[in-house]
Amino acid sequence: KAGVTQTPRYLIKTRGQQVTLSCSPISGHRSVSWYQQTPGQGLQFLFEYFSETQRNKGNFPGRFSGRQFSNSRSEMNVSTLELGDSALYLCASSFGQQGAEAFFGQGTRLTVV
Amino acid sequence: QKEVEQNSGPLSVPEGAIASLNCTYSDRGSQSFFWYRQYSGKSPELIMSIYSNGDKEDGRFTAQLNKASQYVSLLIRDSQPSDSATYLCAVNDNYGQNFVFGPGTRLSVLP
Repeated sequence: KAGVTQTPRYLIKTRGQQVTLSCSPISGHRSVSWYQQTPGQGLQFLFEYFSETQRNKGNFPGRFSGRQFSNSRSEMNVSTLELGDSALYLCASSFGQQGAEAFFGQGTRLTVV
Repeated sequence: QKEVEQNSGPLSVPEGAIASLNCTYSDRGSQSFFWYRQYSGKSPELIMSIYSNGDKEDGRFTAQLNKASQYVSLLIRDSQPSDSATYLCAVNDNYGQNFVFGPGTRLSVLP
């Protein structure tokens, strides 16, 4: 059974650019959550999608957006990149019901220069 | 604001000892609790989930839940150097939509 796949694994962008990250969940999972992880802030919740609808959103500026497709694959977009956006971006997939376990992809390491 | 708290560590234990990791949470409505292990530079890996008060054992790992005290713990028996990692406690709310993660406890198992 394939796990959660994130692409790309590594990315270097310059300030002001935008970036799109992709996440393919485990087959059958309908929920995809996105997290930002930095050494100082730990795992910070960005948003969660279930069946193409955003169900929950964390406290991030509007430059961070996402979407989910009918096949449950999800993309996250960050516009007007800032140096502080450098982080490991993780997505996790689950069945989406109460108590469902979530499994993480390998992450995308974004460096903004 | 839902919060999950953990001691940041590092927690150092000798090889073969029991490592005890603790977690407290603020939302009394929380129903599901998870422990993840994260090696440096890697993504979190699910170790255990627990939903009912009491103990749940899986190999060398035992999760303990006390909802009245809003407390979750993870015991690692016969600790090995390969257990050296950061352990993240995660709590899922009643609706199953949002995981709140603690800051993690860094465990170091000394040979």
